[in-house]
Amino acid sequence: EAEVAQSPRYKITEKSQAVAFWCDPISGHATLYWYRQILGQGPELLVQFQDESVVDDSQLPKDRFSAERLKGVDSTLKIQPAELGDSAMYLCASSSLPRGGAPLHFGNGTRLTVT
Amino acid sequence: AQTVTQSQPEMSVQEAETVTLSCTYDTSESDYYLFWYKQPPSRQMILVIRQEAYKQQNATENRFSVNFQKAAKSFSLKISDSQLGDAAMYFCAYRSSNAGNMLTFGGGTRLMVKP
Repeated sequence: EAEVAQSPRYKITEKSQAVAFWCDPISGHATLYWYRQILGQGPELLVQFQDESVVDDSQLPKDRFSAERLKGVDSTLKIQPAELGDSAMYLCASSSLPRGGAPLHFGNGTRLTVT
Repeated sequence: AQTVTQSQPEMSVQEAETVTLSCTYDTSESDYYLFWYKQPPSRQMILVIRQEAYKQQNATENRFSVNFQKAAKSFSLKISDSQLGDAAMYFCAYRSSNAGNMLTFGGGTRLMVKP
């Protein structure tokens, strides 16, 4: 079964450094999501793409976070500079449709630790 | 904005027994979808079951079933014949049928299965 690929699996960085995460959605899925999950909590949406366009980035801290999906396929999420409070699991997901009952398929996530 | 609440941070069940996880949500919409996702330790989040709000019949997937009470805005998950592999975090999630609406997660319930 096709899966959402994410890398790296783990990332340790010092505060004020830049980090980047990569995601390759399931082939043919036009909708891509980045979620942040703090340990012990539910995921919270950071940004949603439809093809290469941002649909929702209202919860993305734009002073330090950026996301792109230039060709409408894979995506990169960047944090610069990283802060201690950014330590979390960053989940990428994709779906065939941007609404309703289309389920989200999640990757394994990138666990970020900021020291 | 829609909110999803899971009031049980942790639940425990004996192997082969039945357990019910609770979820309530708040919305002013009439057309939406509800989901239960499972997140095993260090593994990716996967869809367990999905319910369309316009359907009165409760969804069932093998040992997993839901009790959907639209008027009460309640969506509980019942796991029958619990297995050790059911141990995981379970997240209830809501999504509007309108385009561009994000999947909103509850805070999760950690399910432990005792042998």
